[in-house]
Amino acid sequence: DADVTQTPRNRITKTGKRIMLECSQTKGHDRMYWYRQDPGLGLRLIYYSFDVKDINKGEISDGYSVSRQAQAKFSLSLESAIPNQTALYFCATSDPGQGGTDTQYFGPGTRLTVL
Amino acid sequence: AQSVAQPEDQVNVAEGNPLTVKCTYSVSGNPYLFWYVQYPNRGLQFLLKYITGDNLVKGSYGFEAEFNKSQTSFHLKKPSALVSDSALYFCAVRDRAGGGADGLTFGKGTHLIIQP
Repeated sequence: DADVTQTPRNRITKTGKRIMLECSQTKGHDRMYWYRQDPGLGLRLIYYSFDVKDINKGEISDGYSVSRQAQAKFSLSLESAIPNQTALYFCATSDPGQGGTDTQYFGPGTRLTVL
Repeated sequence: AQSVAQPEDQVNVAEGNPLTVKCTYSVSGNPYLFWYVQYPNRGLQFLLKYITGDNLVKGSYGFEAEFNKSQTSFHLKKPSALVSDSALYFCAVRDRAGGGADGLTFGKGTHLIIQP
């Protein structure tokens, strides 16, 4: 969905490096999410934010941190990358006002490889 | 807690035949249910959702899904498969009562392969 963009799209880094993945959206949604996708495991929630002042841990937050700089921007940081954080990372947004279902819309993903 | 099971890692269907991708769910209350599709090297695209009312939900690209409360299932269907339907499909659930606080819980995904 072009309304949700992620940078970079691909990144290769080394163990111990600090990495930041960025997400921007033009949908005007308050809620934003970070997921990681691993083969055979589906998508797992890392962090989510319901507004600029609200940050919540998801299922697998250890080793990650986030920053919600504005309604439109939500960044994910790996403070000290390790190889098992190699995955495909997705940002998503949602608006609970759309019938209350909170349908999520996803960015194109960032493929991160930690050597 | 909420969970989703997609019992098949892969489904193979001949082009032109009907297809079904299975999904069962578990929530403590009533569910919102979703199907997403992921094409190679792309993000997830929303296909359809169940909110309430009619148990048969129609979505994008000719897909539909049937909600069955007694069987806690939300199977994805299409009457006539196309080769271009080949992709990875995810079922997801959210408990209505949670206000979204638990986010979406996704199944592990099912690879749908349509053979010419």
